[in-house]
Amino acid sequence: QQPVQSPQAVILREGEDAVINCSSSKALYSVHWYRQKHGEAPVFLMILLKGGEQKGHDKISASFNEKKQQSSLYLTASQLSYSGTYFCGTVYYGNNRLAFGKGNQVVVIP
Amino acid sequence: EAQVTQNPRYLITVTGKKLTVTCSQNMNHEYMSWYRQDPGLGLRQIYYSMNVEVTDKGDVPEGYKVSRKEKRNFPLILESPSPNQTSLYFCASSRETGRRTDTQYFGPGTRLTVL
Repeated sequence: QQPVQSPQAVILREGEDAVINCSSSKALYSVHWYRQKHGEAPVFLMILLKGGEQKGHDKISASFNEKKQQSSLYLTASQLSYSGTYFCGTVYYGNNRLAFGKGNQVVVIP
Repeated sequence: EAQVTQNPRYLITVTGKKLTVTCSQNMNHEYMSWYRQDPGLGLRQIYYSMNVEVTDKGDVPEGYKVSRKEKRNFPLILESPSPNQTSLYFCASSRETGRRTDTQYFGPGTRLTVL
């Protein structure tokens, strides 16, 4: 029941943009995004509910396409602090729990 | 300070020796959960609890037990640990459950090695 995240890893230079994706084979009620720095616990970024909404956290924004059962996270004008592993978590209709994907590793270099 | 605490933070043990990893939150959260993190496999849910005395299996429950006798505590029990349970474990809690699942607050993690 894990959502599928892609690409597995992204390397980008400071100031560049990147998009990472999270998709599901089941109907989603909500999508959650977390970021984990090396050796630390995951930290909450944002939650997106059904309805195709978009949200933002600094220059990181996300969209949720309910019809495609997919969410995308947009890293705009990336900063060194954006490096880390990004996890999406999904809540399905008829389910009470949050399941995470395998993560997208993002490395931002100077 | 609002937080989720786990103990111990690091543990090295031997196969078959029962152990308990404690998790406690001070935010009066209903929902608590245990995850294990292994390289390349992401965060996999072991067990979760929607409230006191209500627990359910996640994706990888085999070899683990949990209990939720009090709202604030959610211990993870390994009755007979095996080397394949060597992993980094995270406890998490959130205010609400299910379709209203809220922000998950993660504990600092417990790194377990089973020899």
